[in-house]
Amino acid sequence: GAGVSQSPRYKVAKRGQDVALRCDPISGHVSLFWYQQALGQGPEFLTYFQNEAQLDKSGLPSDRFFAERPEGSVSTLKIQRTQQEDSAVYLCASSLETPGQQVNYEQYFGPGTRLTVT
Amino acid sequence: DAKTTQPTSMDCAEGRAANLPCNHSTISGNEYVYWYRQIHSQGPQYIIHGLKNNETNEMASLIITEDRKSSTLILPHATLRDTAVYYCIVIARFGAGTRLTVKP
Repeated sequence: GAGVSQSPRYKVAKRGQDVALRCDPISGHVSLFWYQQALGQGPEFLTYFQNEAQLDKSGLPSDRFFAERPEGSVSTLKIQRTQQEDSAVYLCASSLETPGQQVNYEQYFGPGTRLTVT
Repeated sequence: DAKTTQPTSMDCAEGRAANLPCNHSTISGNEYVYWYRQIHSQGPQYIIHGLKNNETNEMASLIITEDRKSSTLILPHATLRDTAVYYCIVIARFGAGTRLTVKP
């Protein structure tokens, strides 16, 4: 079946512009995660949704970053007034929550969106 | 903050077993250990996970110490296509991973 998809795959933004990155998770997956991966680094957790509820946003680096999942499926990560340090690959992952085992999940990752801020 | 530590890089000869260690000394009793790998320009790919018991699937084996403070991922017969960065994670927190290079 279809995996996690992300769009756009590549985005170039001028410093100060706002950007919106989209994630389409696997149908039926309850949990959705956003990560930021800088060049040569591991993915850094940004935020986590269970259905439409944003349960953890502790990884968002500043108030310029905002994520939403209003209907519990598609999610959008928005970055306002982009800065050069925002240049990275933004990964989205979804997982099928296991009832009663909230810490047990296998994440399926999308291909990522490569954001370059010039 | 990452809850795991791994060596930065490792080499392995093609056809031999690759043993990748991971320390997770602060893991809680109900937290699983997950392993993913990432090949250049792709999203991470799930390999295996475990809680207390050793696990095996078609890709790899996972050995977890009795105190659960560390684990080892074993690729029994490494191939050139196993060259990747391997991540050991707990509760969605990735570290820097181990870059495994399989050499002919």
